[in-house]
Amino acid sequence: GAVVSQHPSWVICKSGTSVKIECRSLDFQATTMFWYRQFPKQSLMLMATSNEGSKATYEQGVEKDKFLINHASLTLSTLTVTSAHPEDSSFYICSAGEIGSVGSEAFFGQGTRLTVV
Amino acid sequence: RKEVEQDPGPFNVPEGATVAFNCTYSNSASQSFFWYRQDCRKEPKLLMSVYSSGNEDGRFTAQLNRASQYISLLIRDSKLSDSATYLCVVKRGQGFSFIFGKGTRLLVKP
Repeated sequence: GAVVSQHPSWVICKSGTSVKIECRSLDFQATTMFWYRQFPKQSLMLMATSNEGSKATYEQGVEKDKFLINHASLTLSTLTVTSAHPEDSSFYICSAGEIGSVGSEAFFGQGTRLTVV
Repeated sequence: RKEVEQDPGPFNVPEGATVAFNCTYSNSASQSFFWYRQDCRKEPKLLMSVYSSGNEDGRFTAQLNRASQYISLLIRDSKLSDSATYLCVVKRGQGFSFIFGKGTRLLVKP
């Protein structure tokens, strides 16, 4: 099946710094990628939809100036957590689907565990 | 009302038992439905898609009831390795935006 690679798999950063997470589709092109966040014992919450070549669409309650999304190519989307705080510590996962495969499943990256200290 | 709702469990069952999970969704325009499995600290992995006609994959059976807007997953002959969180997932519209339920935790005991 299609492969989505996410990097890094875990990161620890100091409060106030920024962290960039990459999501790559390795063997297919994805015009749209999705970013999710999961707190402990909670479900995945959709944060934003990342569209190649245009602005991301954010879900209600997600600060677009804090979670910067860039989708510069059909195989790469990045999420930057700016001025991170301890409450941003979470598991971040991206997903993507193949162009033209409307009815198919999405493929998930391995996730990034962010700890802000 | 949440878009996708599931009983969080946990469901504690002995090996060999049959267990069923239900999930309800609120958006009648939802088009695709899935069950994903998530192990602790890992990304979700597709278990099976859910079709109106129902579908079976080995010990797993999924059903979709569009009139009542619910999805079910039946696991027969539970194995220890089935212990995980099972996520009910609904695809919103034509794109790849997936809405996740909170998940139902299953613990299979010897």
